[in-house]
Parts: sequence; C-alpha cells; structure tokens
Amino acid sequence: AQTVTQSQPEMSVQEAETVTLSCTYDTSENNYYLFWYKQPPSRQMILVIRQEAYKQQNATENRFSVNFQKAAKSFSLKISDSQLGDTAMYFCAFMNYGGSQGNLIFGKGTKLSVKP
Amino acid sequence: DAGVTQSPTHLIKTRGQQVTLRCSPKSGHDTVSWYQQALGQGPQFIFQYYEEEERQRGNFPDRFSGHQFPNYSSELNVNALLLGDSALYLCASSLDPTLYGYTFGSGTRLTVV
Repeated sequence: AQTVTQSQPEMSVQEAETVTLSCTYDTSENNYYLFWYKQPPSRQMILVIRQEAYKQQNATENRFSVNFQKAAKSFSLKISDSQLGDTAMYFCAFMNYGGSQGNLIFGKGTKLSVKP
Repeated sequence: DAGVTQSPTHLIKTRGQQVTLRCSPKSGHDTVSWYQQALGQGPQFIFQYYEEEERQRGNFPDRFSGHQFPNYSSELNVNALLLGDSALYLCASSLDPTLYGYTFGSGTRLTVV
C-alpha cells in the first residue's frame, strides 16, 4: 500500500522569504502523480501544484515549485517570496496511474505560518 | 462558475442516528469522490463515483454508503453514527483526476454527540 509522510508538523517563515516543505512517499509503482494541496482556515482544499512521475522536469507554478527526486521518493515544495496569504495547512498527496486511479492518498500535513 | 458545493456546512447528530451529506460538483465534472478528514489529520478516501456507479472504495465500513445522480451530484450516507465519525467530510470533483487533480468543496463539519 502506498504511504505519504510529511515529517514537519509545523513550520514558520518570514514574509518575502523562501520555505521548503518536505514530503516522502512509498510505492512500488513506476507511474503515478503527486500533488500539493493547500487548506486555509476556510477548509477548502486548493490545488497548488501537480507532478507526473514520468516527467523528469520539476513542476513550477508562479512562486511554487517542487523538487521531485523519483529514486529517493521525495517530493518537496518550495514557496518563494512567501506571502501572508500562504498561511495554511499544506498536504502532499499521491495518486496511482492505474488500478486505483483517481484515489488520492494524503500525508498528515504541515502547518505553515507566514509572519509579517 | 460555481465550484464544488456542499451542504450543510455544519451538522450535529446523536450517536446511532443516520446522516446524509450532499455535494454538487463543479460544472462539467463527472467524477465525485468523498473524503473524511479527522481533526489534525490528512483526508482519507471513502469512495469515488463515476457515471452513477461506485468505482472505488477506501477502507470504510458498510455504514458508509453513497449515491450519484444523473446530474453528477452526490450524497454520502452514514448509518448508526459513532462518536468516531465526527470529522470534516470533503467532496471533490474532477473531469479527469489524473490529468487535473480534484476540485474540493469546503466540507461538512459533522459532530456526533
């Protein structure tokens, strides 16, 4: 069974600085998808970034980028120029390519606080 | 364009009762999944519906059941409520989960007393 581990329960960063959130996963599959979701106090999960395992190039979305290390099964999220609105829970999630396709497996999350 | 809409937003039920939660997916989305998020935890997959059929199911007892209607809206039913069923229940929809990921609703906070 696949598992997702986020080893940092809480992190804080000063506004405008850069922070990296860690995520590791365990799978025997070769093709899969990885996601970072943000959950602010409003409770709605918002997709931050998506990575396809067969693509070597790291995904980037504006201030958000990932460091995908397939051999190490690591998928970290870097937030540049942190803003107060980035304060939220961040969840790393795994999705199989086939079989149980479409089922997201989440980590326990990292609570990020951006301080002014 | 409305996103995923869930109702009610909050609900208090007594142990042993039954509850129905409702979800309207984002316009054009035909796949609906339900997740349970306990306090301080990541969401856990309950089941997924596509074309009115349950396509996948997570490790949840039969007390948890669902339905998808022809307009793709969905219901989650929980029978014989336990205190441990208290959680945030999230509905998520997609046109293609592997290609686009999911769009989530804001959830229903269920408290069982």
